[in-house]
Amino acid sequence: DTAVSQTPKYLVTQMGNDKSIKCEQNLGHDTMYWYKQDSKKFLKIMFSYNNKELIINETVPNRFSPKSPDKAHLNLHINSLELGDSAVYFCASSQAIVNTEAFFGQGTRLTVV
Amino acid sequence: SQQGEEDPQALSIQEGENATMNCSYKTSINNLQWYRQNSGRGLVHLILIRSNEREKHSGRLRVTLDTSKKSSSLLITASRAADTASYFCASGVGYALNFGKGTSLLVTP
Repeated sequence: DTAVSQTPKYLVTQMGNDKSIKCEQNLGHDTMYWYKQDSKKFLKIMFSYNNKELIINETVPNRFSPKSPDKAHLNLHINSLELGDSAVYFCASSQAIVNTEAFFGQGTRLTVV
Repeated sequence: SQQGEEDPQALSIQEGENATMNCSYKTSINNLQWYRQNSGRGLVHLILIRSNEREKHSGRLRVTLDTSKKSSSLLITASRAADTASYFCASGVGYALNFGKGTSLLVTP
């Protein structure tokens, strides 16, 4: 069973569209994250949720809205997609919010055309 | 702010050789972690070293941490072709893991 799974794996869409990426973890972890990896492989944290509560909200356009219906899920909704949103988005989870390893999903490659 | 800068950006070695990657960070940390990313895949945790530790081993991996210099190193001994990947350090600061840009390691047979 996949520990952290995110769907879809690939997403190609036009500018201006709204899209969602789903993430689920079956590890029983309390904390989930969204990271963005750009074309130069730089990974930047976007959001962190602990027990369904938003803990970290880095400088991310408000077109990006995370939703955590329960501890096992953290979805990412993106409105009015722009070319610069093209990247690989990774969901991750960890048992606690500090001092523990993070488990990553396989990534969603978003291409905005 | 960005934490964790790996050096070198790219490293090419032959099987059996050792690979050393360095990481520097900017502020106080809870811990320092190393991850591996194979092409087109997610990140996989390799090892975590706490701020009060100086050295840690796991199989062929050896990690050191120097908090006075705000730096860490990852040594992979007796490298294999399967070690080809990108390696990232991540500094645990508060509620986040802050990643560097990674070192691309190529191990040729």
